Amino acid sequence: DAGVIQSPRHEVTEMGQEVTLRCKPISGHNSLFWYRQTMMRGLELLIYFNNNVPIDDSGMPEDRFSAKMPNASFSTLKIQPSEPRDSAVYFCASSLAHVGGLNTEAFFGQGTRLTVV
Amino acid sequence: AQSVTQLGSHVSVSEGALVLLRCNYSSSVPPYLFWYVQYPNQGLQLLLKYTTGATLVKGINGFEAEFKKSETSFHLTKPSAHMSDAAEYFCAVSDFSGNTGKLIFGQGTTLQVKP
Repeated sequence: DAGVIQSPRHEVTEMGQEVTLRCKPISGHNSLFWYRQTMMRGLELLIYFNNNVPIDDSGMPEDRFSAKMPNASFSTLKIQPSEPRDSAVYFCASSLAHVGGLNTEAFFGQGTRLTVV
Repeated sequence: AQSVTQLGSHVSVSEGALVLLRCNYSSSVPPYLFWYVQYPNQGLQLLLKYTTGATLVKGINGFEAEFKKSETSFHLTKPSAHMSDAAEYFCAVSDFSGNTGKLIFGQGTTLQVKP
């Protein structure tokens, strides 16, 4: 398996523009996580899905952020409109959650470095 | 709710010296615990994990960690630091919420290795 695949690796956009980040989890995994990493706030969990259903989106900073998982092999994180403070590295990770809620380790993608100017 | 605390955002050691990165967790049930490493401009990579059984777990690159329930700790150690160990290290705990689970990460510890 190629691991978790994120695209694009780098994104530079102007303030106010819509940004869409993409993630393909590892085949067979049933949990997917979106994290944001900044120097100031560290690694923050934005949202996670289990079996394509959003379970906890309490980390999504505001309504400008939305995430979808239309099927088991694809997820998007959208920011509309984007702002300079959204500049960060966004990671997608996937794992296999067994019955009973026990996750094996999460496998991370290489991240998308977003710069909003 | 579960949480993870990493003591010390920056740790500096000399090459060849012992590495000790501290992690404490809070959990109402026996947790799964993880250590991840992040090299510059890369994603997070699993170093080691504790699930059940032996409390001393060994990982990649000579690292190991010991689960101490009485101290709610899962500290990461390596007997002899190498320059290539310089990176950021994250401790994480698996949440037992229902049938889903999520990974909760600490704030990270940056390890500097001096020649």
